[in-house]
Amino acid sequence: QSALTQPASVSGSPGQSITISCTGTSSDVGSYNLVSWYQQHPGKAPKLMIYEVSKRPSGVSNRFSGSKSGNTASLTISGLQAEDEADYYCCSYAGSSTFRVFGGGTKLTVL
Amino acid sequence: EVQLVESGGGLVQPGGSLRLSCAASGFTFSSYEMNWVRQAPGKGLEWVSYISSSGSTIYYADSVKGRFTISRDNAKNSLYLQMNSLRAEDTAVYYCARDVAAAPWFDPWGQGTLVTVSS
Repeated sequence: QSALTQPASVSGSPGQSITISCTGTSSDVGSYNLVSWYQQHPGKAPKLMIYEVSKRPSGVSNRFSGSKSGNTASLTISGLQAEDEADYYCCSYAGSSTFRVFGGGTKLTVL
Repeated sequence: EVQLVESGGGLVQPGGSLRLSCAASGFTFSSYEMNWVRQAPGKGLEWVSYISSSGSTIYYADSVKGRFTISRDNAKNSLYLQMNSLRAEDTAVYYCARDVAAAPWFDPWGQGTLVTVSS
């Protein structure tokens, strides 16, 4: 089961926007609108930020948005804030054999 | 409040066994699919195993297939992971995580329990 491909790190200044990509294949991201994104602060459990490609759970800031094109999903964070500094992971359903696959994670640094 | 609390982690020798537990509260446990997800030190997240609400459907990652067994006791609101033939590469924080309304995303997560496989 190969992990989805994410950039190891991204950075941005407060108030700016950043986008994190998540590239899979036609067997996972490309075949299903079942991509989710998680935020993880150091030493903490992950938190669901985006589900079903672009939907936000209750309580998640509308500064977080998701999209998908072909085999690549993306997470965009607008109006960067210091508290957004964390690791971000994408995850996709990958069919009944592989089932679920995560990206390798992206460390977001707010400069 | 929806809560998941893992326990059972610790230090075990290669080839040994360990059983993790996850106690659920604040929701109707028997109505939800559950998962185990792990994170090796300094590494990313890896989905490990899934069990349906009734326990009738189970999936495993290839990396643990044949060595780990997921189970649940809906009467006790508890999820389990029996880990056998442990290897150094199984060293990780193990999280239990609930599926959301039969959909493949995880919310919430427990705080995790650390498993260290070392001699």
